[in-house]
Amino acid sequence: DAGITQSPRHKVTETGTPVTLRCHQTENHRYMYWYRQDPGHGLRLIHYSYGVKDTDKGEVSDGYSVSRSKTEDFLLTLESATSSQTSVYFCAISGGRGYTFGSGTRLTVV
Amino acid sequence: KQEVTQIPAALSVPEGENLVLNCSFTDSAIYNLQWFRQDPGKGLTSLLLIQSSQREQTSGRLNASLDKSSGRSTLYIAASQPGDSATYLCAVSFGNEKLTFGTGTRLTIIP
Repeated sequence: DAGITQSPRHKVTETGTPVTLRCHQTENHRYMYWYRQDPGHGLRLIHYSYGVKDTDKGEVSDGYSVSRSKTEDFLLTLESATSSQTSVYFCAISGGRGYTFGSGTRLTVV
Repeated sequence: KQEVTQIPAALSVPEGENLVLNCSFTDSAIYNLQWFRQDPGKGLTSLLLIQSSQREQTSGRLNASLDKSSGRSTLYIAASQPGDSATYLCAVSFGNEKLTFGTGTRLTIIP
């Protein structure tokens, strides 16, 4: 979607390395989210933000941290990547038209 | 804990048929319900958003209904086309804190 972009689109990293995924929005929405999608589990919320420097945990937050220093950017960091964090990661924003999702980042941890 | 169920998990229908996808949720105190489609290897595309005060929404060949009292929503697709083949997800929210997804219905339209 034009209002929300994720980078990188694909990444392969080694176990134990730190990884940061970026989400950028141009809609000036207050709320931003990080989800992961896995076969058999569907989409699960990792962390979300309700404003600059205001964040909270979702249902699968262990091993992840987030930061939001500007309204338009929401960063997801895997401090020390593990194979169980191999997944597709989606960022989302919410506003009057409901939720809008980014195109996703496919992360492989080897 | 809110649970969202979508039945069936997979559905195949011949092109041109009308079809209905079902979504049920356990807590009726929802803020809104949203239907998405997801093509293989792609992101989620929003189809319809129904606010809790609404009963239905329409967009082209798509119509979504919401019955909060029974905890159900349906997505009706008229005159199905091969391009409608995708996974359809419903999701409910209680405001801006969290969106809970169903596990989806994988739809295949047979030409």
